[in-house]
Amino acid sequence: EAGVAQSPRYKIIEKRQSVAFWCNPISGHATLYWYQQILGQGPKLLIQFQNNGVVDDSQLPKDRFSAERLKGVDSTLKIQPAKLEDSAVYLCASSLVGQGARNEQFFGPGTRLTVL
Amino acid sequence: KQEVTQIPAALSVPEGENLVLNCSFTDSAIYNLQWFRQDPGKGLTSLLLIQSSQREQTSGRLNASLDKSSGRSTLYIAASQPGDSATYLCAVKANYGQNFVFGPGTRLSVLP
Repeated sequence: EAGVAQSPRYKIIEKRQSVAFWCNPISGHATLYWYQQILGQGPKLLIQFQNNGVVDDSQLPKDRFSAERLKGVDSTLKIQPAKLEDSAVYLCASSLVGQGARNEQFFGPGTRLTVL
Repeated sequence: KQEVTQIPAALSVPEGENLVLNCSFTDSAIYNLQWFRQDPGKGLTSLLLIQSSQREQTSGRLNASLDKSSGRSTLYIAASQPGDSATYLCAVKANYGQNFVFGPGTRLSVLP
């Protein structure tokens, strides 16, 4: 079974530029999560999708971050414009949700963003 | 609001020792708790998941326990090896449909 795929693995941009990250979850997983992990901290949830609908985006800085999951499969997270404090690893995870499901999360390798 | 802490922040042990990592959470009404391992520059690898109705889960040299009433979980690693060196994170899911809240992690170094 293929895992969660993310691209790119690394990205370096200058502040005020735009950047986009892509995630393809495990096949059949209805729930998709985007996390931000700052060095030395645990991941912080940015947005959670159930199929193509948003379940929780309470911690997403909506003035500069946006995310979509148009067909309920892969997802894109965008930052526009980027700030220095956005330097972090952006992790995508997916889980199988439903009656009897364990709600276990599976993570991709992450995208390391450096904003100069 | 659920808060998760992990003690210690870092731990260094000689190879072969048994060790315990701790995870504490403030809201005991949880759905499940998941332990992860993260290697430097990598994503998170799921180790064990404990449902709220369970007391412990085991996988190989790993054993995770859950005490909801006290808001604690422990990850026990037996006969540690240098390959166990990584950061270990716990994550708590408060209720069905709610998202996971992560602890800051414990950075483990196992010395040969």
